[in-house]
Amino acid sequence: DIQMTQSPSSLSASVGDRVTITCRASQSISSNLNWYHQKPGKAPKILIFAASNLQSGVPSRFSGSGSGTDFTLTISTLQPEDFATYYCQQSYSTPFTFGPGTKLDIK
Amino acid sequence: DVQLLESGGGLVQPGGSLRLSCAASGFTFSGYAMIWVRQAPGKGLEWVSAISGSGGSTYYADSVKGRFTISRDNSKNTLYLQMNSLRGEDTAVYYCAKYGAAAGTRPYYFDYWGQGTLVTVSS
Repeated sequence: DIQMTQSPSSLSASVGDRVTITCRASQSISSNLNWYHQKPGKAPKILIFAASNLQSGVPSRFSGSGSGTDFTLTISTLQPEDFATYYCQQSYSTPFTFGPGTKLDIK
Repeated sequence: DVQLLESGGGLVQPGGSLRLSCAASGFTFSGYAMIWVRQAPGKGLEWVSAISGSGGSTYYADSVKGRFTISRDNSKNTLYLQMNSLRGEDTAVYYCAKYGAAAGTRPYYFDYWGQGTLVTVSS
């Protein structure tokens, strides 16, 4: 199985900050990497698919990059509604493993 | 609008069985593969199982293989997860989700999720 890691595991930031979360796969997954965020008690929501494609309806302050084993999610200007837990997920091969999550909270 | 509504969760004893359902609406159900993902209390997301649009292909995480069965009834627009031989570590909120691209084509991602149903395995 492909193992996914994320860093940092938690992050404190302020509204207006630029934030970057990284995700690493245990083997090359090409561009088969998705990013979700999840708020407490809610279902995950897709933000970025195939490493760099912004899902329809997701604000343009979110962006993704990377290929192979190393990926990043960037939020250019944090908004209050962005405080959540962020997960990467590989969709290269089953099982489609998720990273352990990065909890983003308010400083 | 796309809607996914899970049901069937509850409290079950270790070794017991439960069947989850996910009623879908707002899209051509048979045209999309579907998945189940679970989240144990306070933990991260775990991919559990996937099924093709026709139901002819199924995939499972090693942690549930041989105990869980995914299926779908395209005439009823409903996805199922039959869970047998349940263990404490199966306690989680179970989400169904829809593949983003039709006909199981890449890229694979999950664009709509249900609200989840809680399964608690305890004596």
